[in-house]
Amino acid sequence: GNSVTQMEGPVTLSEEAFLTINCTYTATGYPSLFWYVQYPGEGLQLLLKATKADDKGSNKGFEATYRKETTSFHLEKGSVQVSDSAVYFCALTFNDYKLSFGAGTTVTVRA
Amino acid sequence: DGGITQSPKYLFRKEGQNVTLSCEQNLNHDAMYWYRQDPGQGLRLIYYSQIVNDFQKGDIAEGYSVSREKKESFPLTVTSAQKNPTAFYLCASSISLQPQHFGDGTRLSIL
Repeated sequence: GNSVTQMEGPVTLSEEAFLTINCTYTATGYPSLFWYVQYPGEGLQLLLKATKADDKGSNKGFEATYRKETTSFHLEKGSVQVSDSAVYFCALTFNDYKLSFGAGTTVTVRA
Repeated sequence: DGGITQSPKYLFRKEGQNVTLSCEQNLNHDAMYWYRQDPGQGLRLIYYSQIVNDFQKGDIAEGYSVSREKKESFPLTVTSAQKNPTAFYLCASSISLQPQHFGDGTRLSIL
């Protein structure tokens, strides 16, 4: 079946540091890929998405590129802020009706 | 503003009781979903519904039931058959081929 593997957290960074969260997937075919973010006590918000190979999703300074050769969709941000502290989820879908999520990576940014 | 409303935010249940979690959306989305979130496990799909009066089991449907009598509403009942109901429950909705939107969740605890 389909599955998503994220790097384990927690990740702790200082403000203005570079953030990378690794995400790889196992699937038959080419799914759509997403990054969702969950702030404390809230639901998930879509951060960015990519629907085909070599697509780059970007939003709020975050970027991720759909790499079919390595079946990866790593999330990056060049300079994090305290407000980026959250749990980040990588997810995939083939038909939008069933999302498969990674376990989530907790990121804490210190001032 | 359009969105998804989950209520209550916190819910307590005694052993052997059924409890119903509410989810309402005013986004005019056709599809709705229920997920369960446990620490370190990401989100797992309980049930989903693509249209009114129809729904399908997700990966962990045992001990749960749903109904979809109106497009806007998709309540989830956690029955006494669910042996480990303590979790954070998230409702989501989507329109065809678009990413899912999430509510802010309900945290269920057993007294």
